[in-house]
Amino acid sequence: KAGVTQTPRYLIKTRGQQVTLSCSPISGHRSVSWYQQTPGQGLQFLFEYFSETQRNKGNFPGRFSGRQFSNSRSEMNVSTLELGDSALYLCASSTGGPSGNTIYFGEGSWLTVV
Amino acid sequence: TQLLEQSPQFLSIQEGENLTVYCNSSSVFSSLQWYRQEPGEGPVLLVTVVTGGEVKKLKRLTFQFGDARKDSSLHITAAQPGDTGLYLCAGARAGGTSYGKLTFGQGTILTVHP
Repeated sequence: KAGVTQTPRYLIKTRGQQVTLSCSPISGHRSVSWYQQTPGQGLQFLFEYFSETQRNKGNFPGRFSGRQFSNSRSEMNVSTLELGDSALYLCASSTGGPSGNTIYFGEGSWLTVV
Repeated sequence: TQLLEQSPQFLSIQEGENLTVYCNSSSVFSSLQWYRQEPGEGPVLLVTVVTGGEVKKLKRLTFQFGDARKDSSLHITAAQPGDTGLYLCAGARAGGTSYGKLTFGQGTILTVHP
């Protein structure tokens, strides 16, 4: 069974540009969450999508957005990139149900903003 | 506000020693998960604990979930250099629909010297 797949693995962007990251969840999983990991802040929750609807949102500016498609694949977009957006962006998938819901992570997309 | 306090942040020990990592919170979690992360990679799930007082063993690793589901610990017996890595605890808050949203501890960087 394939794990969570994220593309691209590495990318470099210039300040002011925008970026789109893609995530394919584990087959059968309907929940996709996105996290940002930086040395200073650790792992922080961005948002979660379940059945194409945003179910939860973290404390990030509106420049960070996402969507989920009918096949559960998800994309996240960051507009008007800032240097501080340089981070490892992690996608995670799960069945999305209550208690005991296990969450699996992809290998992440390394974004460097210059 | 850090909802999950993980300690210690750094641990440097010799091969063969035992160690314990703690994860504490004032909040109740419906489940708590432990991950291990290698540099440049995504977190890899070690275990999910769901029931208060639950103890799970994975070879030399023992995980415990507190009776009130507010805290957890990871104990490693006879540590080996291969155990070196970043260990993360993460909880899913009880109640609501936050099933795909994890709150992470700061992480514990473990180094096991031969």
